[in-house]
Amino acid sequence: DQQVKQNSPSLSVQEGRISILNCDYTNSMFDYFLWYKKYPAEGPTFLISISSIKDKNEDGRFTVFLNKSAKHLSLHIVPSQPGDSAVYFCAARRGTYKYIFGTGTRLKVLA
Amino acid sequence: ETGVTQSPTHLIKTRGQQVTLRCSSQSGHNTVSWYQQALGQGPQFIFQYYREEENGRGNFPPRFSGLQFPNYSSELNVNALELDDSALYLCASSGQGPNTGELFFGEGSRLTVL
Repeated sequence: DQQVKQNSPSLSVQEGRISILNCDYTNSMFDYFLWYKKYPAEGPTFLISISSIKDKNEDGRFTVFLNKSAKHLSLHIVPSQPGDSAVYFCAARRGTYKYIFGTGTRLKVLA
Repeated sequence: ETGVTQSPTHLIKTRGQQVTLRCSSQSGHNTVSWYQQALGQGPQFIFQYYREEENGRGNFPPRFSGLQFPNYSSELNVNALELDDSALYLCASSGQGPNTGELFFGEGSRLTVL
């Protein structure tokens, strides 16, 4: 029962261009969505989040969009930098304790 | 501000053995969650501890158990290890109250079961 899906296992983008990472979910009870970035041999680090009552949240180069009718979440990185190369996980929260993660998308930003 | 620390970073066990993993939460955080990340998968929720009590549990068997101590540090215990228990075990801490819902993760303990 995969309630949070990241259908693209990998993505390559040229430095300076936009990276768009996508995430779909099935449970309309999720109240918060988050994106995490993970480098090898490190734990995931929080990137940006969005409440289910909003449709957009921006933080510097990172913007998260939420389309509730389509149950779709996306992360835009503009401009992409080589240091952004990592695995990105989307996560959804229901209640105060349970976070459900997608399987991740490996982003490679080419210099 | 001290981040989340986990120990050991790597360990190898054989099938049937027992393992204890440890986690110190970030300063000021009273809630600790444990996740299992198998190769090629996202982290999967095992359980959460708040004020020394289990506050929620994912779809893991009872041989996965935990503790939280008065200083908010935590242990994950796995009994009767199986080959499929080989994974990265992540500890995450968070505060209670209104926030972004952010979890702060440690670097993980990589367990290999032979």
